[in-house]
Amino acid sequence: QSVLTQPPSVSGAPGQRVTISCTGTSSNIGAGYDVHWYQQFPGTVPKLLIYGNNNRPSGVPDRFSGSKSGTSASLAIAGLQAEDEADYYCQSYDSSLSGGVFGGGTQLTVL
Amino acid sequence: QLQLQESGPGLVKSSETLSLICTVSGGSISNSNYYWGWIRQPPGKGLEWLGIIYYSGPTYYNPSLKGRVTISVDTSKNQFSLKLNSVTAADTAVYYCARRRGDGTWFDPWGQGTLVTVSS
Repeated sequence: QSVLTQPPSVSGAPGQRVTISCTGTSSNIGAGYDVHWYQQFPGTVPKLLIYGNNNRPSGVPDRFSGSKSGTSASLAIAGLQAEDEADYYCQSYDSSLSGGVFGGGTQLTVL
Repeated sequence: QLQLQESGPGLVKSSETLSLICTVSGGSISNSNYYWGWIRQPPGKGLEWLGIIYYSGPTYYNPSLKGRVTISVDTSKNQFSLKLNSVTAADTAVYYCARRRGDGTWFDPWGQGTLVTVSS
């Protein structure tokens, strides 16, 4: 059971916009700690996609965006492409654990 | 460009100690702007934060590991290491090392990861 809760799977058609939620508690996201997102293709290393809630590292398309409100955060992918099919993980810090925490991951399927 | 590379045995017997080393190249592990961490991913499952270390020694561990984990740093070799004792099959995973910013909690870049299998 992950500290941060994500839907196991989401799907969308090419060109559509999908969102992936990440729900936490008052000791992590709700306490104001930043949320980060990673993209992982099968058999590969997780790649930083969004950091500090809504910042994209160099090279990440602006189709990817992040937001945070209250005890939740979201990753939005606009103009969905087949190459976006991957697993997505959120990450934050938890004050009660004094350490980092990940969500359980969401598998994105492009229909 | 900073690179990290994990190394260590790919097979560990149950109840023994898992030991991995992460070698950092292209930058100094003594850079005061960063922490260095370990993350693992059991086959087919999600990511788990194991712990981080600062070059001067402060460490932070995942309490769920119940004191079984130790992370240390060797600045002379530009390496940091992970030791996990009393392993069981549940510790079978790909283990990644990664860099974490001091002013933020995200990890980037990551090592390629190394699969460690715990056998009975």
